[in-house]
Amino acid sequence: SQTIHQWPATLVQPVGSPLSLECTVEGTSNPNLYWYRQAAGRGLQLLFYSVGIGQISSEVPQNLSASRPQDRQFILSSKKLLLSDSGFYLCAWSNRLADTQYFGPGTRLTVL
Amino acid sequence: GDSVTQMEGPVTLSEEAFLTINCTYTATGYPSLFWYVQYPGEGLQLLLKATKADDKGSNKGFEATYRKETTSFHLEKGSVQVSDSAVYFCALTGSGGSNYKLTFGKGTLLTVNP
Repeated sequence: SQTIHQWPATLVQPVGSPLSLECTVEGTSNPNLYWYRQAAGRGLQLLFYSVGIGQISSEVPQNLSASRPQDRQFILSSKKLLLSDSGFYLCAWSNRLADTQYFGPGTRLTVL
Repeated sequence: GDSVTQMEGPVTLSEEAFLTINCTYTATGYPSLFWYVQYPGEGLQLLLKATKADDKGSNKGFEATYRKETTSFHLEKGSVQVSDSAVYFCALTGSGGSNYKLTFGKGTLLTVNP
């Protein structure tokens, strides 16, 4: 069966510091991968998606970037965090048909 | 563009009460429809889905029917339990070229009291 991991589970970072969140998927090949952010009191916002290694599409221009160095690894990064980057970050995967997305446990990021 | 509107909570029920959470959508073509559940501090879990009109998704006593004529996908459960307390999200994926993108409603917080 497929599993999806995210780490770290929680992170507290100062404003202006860099960020690296990692997501890995097991038990499947060539998945589509997604990064979402859930801000307090708001719904979920799609940030990035990827259909293959090195292929990244951005949905919302912002302070963040994503990379996919391996087939089942998806990384969310920032060079300098802003207060507004605080939130709950969720990684998800789907198969090539993209009919259903499955979510990881999430990373709670607090920027102080 | 695509959008999902679900009833705003919070919804508070007693154990064994009947649950309905309304969800309506706007989309072109034939979207797939989903309900996800988020327990406190956790990620989203797929609860159920339906991919075409008149399909009924069901899981763990929850049901929802894809109604194209009313563009609705209401979530129901006949008898809720304390363990059902969570945030519920209605969502859709577009058809054609936008089928990768999940569009979510804002979520409905359900609290079930013993």
